[in-house]
Amino acid sequence: GENVEQHPSTLSVQEGDSAVIKCTYSDSASNYFPWYKQELGKRPQLIIDIRSNVGEKKDQRIAVTLNKTAKHFSLHITETQPEDSAVYFCAASMGGGADGLTFGKGTHLIIQP
Amino acid sequence: DAGITQSPRYKITETGRQVTLMCHQTWSHSYMFWYRQDLGHGLRLIYYSAAADITDKGEVPDGYVVSRSKTENFPLTLESATRSQTSVYFCASSEGLVNEQFFGPGTRLTVL
Repeated sequence: GENVEQHPSTLSVQEGDSAVIKCTYSDSASNYFPWYKQELGKRPQLIIDIRSNVGEKKDQRIAVTLNKTAKHFSLHITETQPEDSAVYFCAASMGGGADGLTFGKGTHLIIQP
Repeated sequence: DAGITQSPRYKITETGRQVTLMCHQTWSHSYMFWYRQDLGHGLRLIYYSAAADITDKGEVPDGYVVSRSKTENFPLTLESATRSQTSVYFCASSEGLVNEQFFGPGTRLTVL
């Protein structure tokens, strides 16, 4: 099955700086890569996703890049704000009857004032 | 998010007891999923369902049973609870396997 590695496990940045979280996946058949944000005690919520036919996608301060050859994808958050503090999970899916989403172990993003 | 609910929100049980966690969605999504979340492991897929009466195993299915007689409901049963099943359980639903998954609020289960 699919294996997703996520780094770093904890990331502390100054408010206003950028944050980058990286993930690698093992199965070249994966074609869907979402990112979820989970605030303390809350449910995970989708913040952005990308499909394998696209190399980059942006939504305001958030962007995701995908390198299919290297099998890695990254989340970029610019101009970080206190409300960005949360745990972020990357995931990969092959779709088509395979095992749904495989998640990375999460990155705890801490925004320092 | 009120479209997917879980009950109970908190449950304490003893080793060996049967426990059923309920999940209900109002969007008529085809796919439903059960995950468990443990510190250091992220979210791991237990079972998923593509439609009523169609279920399939995920990464960690042992000790769990699911059913899906109606599109909107996807209960998860621990037939004989063990301490290792202490976890937070999230149900989710989506229109397809490669579409956004909407998560329920979670059930915190403690097995003593």
